[in-house]
Amino acid sequence: DAGVIQSPRHEVTEMGQEVTLRCKPISGHNSLFWYRQTMMRGLELLIYFNNNVPIDDSGMPEDRFSAKMPNASFSTLKIQPSEPRDSAVYFCASSLGGPTDTQYFGPGTRLTVL
Amino acid sequence: GDSVTQMEGPVTLSEEAFLTINCTYTATGYPSLFWYVQYPGEGLQLLLKATKADDKGSNKGFEATYRKETTSFHLEKGSVQVSDSAVYFCALRGGGYNKLIFGAGTRLAVHP
Repeated sequence: DAGVIQSPRHEVTEMGQEVTLRCKPISGHNSLFWYRQTMMRGLELLIYFNNNVPIDDSGMPEDRFSAKMPNASFSTLKIQPSEPRDSAVYFCASSLGGPTDTQYFGPGTRLTVL
Repeated sequence: GDSVTQMEGPVTLSEEAFLTINCTYTATGYPSLFWYVQYPGEGLQLLLKATKADDKGSNKGFEATYRKETTSFHLEKGSVQVSDSAVYFCALRGGGYNKLIFGAGTRLAVHP
């Protein structure tokens, strides 16, 4: 299996621009998670989907952030407009969907907002 | 709320030294506990886990025992290698869905 796939791996953009991060979970996995990793705040869960439905978005920082999962094999995290404080590494993870299943992480997208 | 506290790094060791990375947690109920490892430029990988008190998780020479009485899950390895250099994250999963709460991470650097 190819594992969780994220694109792009690196993104540099200017403040105010729209940024879209993409994730393809492992085939057959029903749960998908978006995390953000920063030096200051560590690893934070942003949003969790189960069977393509957002279950917990309490970690989404503000209205500038939105996430979608139109089908079982694709999810996006969008930031509009982006700000320098959004600079971080964004990870996508997937699991089989049970409450105790192992989460498998993608390689991450390093976002830099100038 | 639930939280995880782990020792600050970096931890710098010589090859073949003994490793301990401390992790304590605060949680209601009986969480499952995990250690994840992140190698440079990569995502997190599950290293080991324990789902109930007194369970010992082990993998690749690493071990951790779920100690309910001290709310701890310290990571140990008897003889580290240069290839173990990475960032190690302690995490817990509480009740409800598969939500992980991570510690801040501890960077380990092993020198030959």
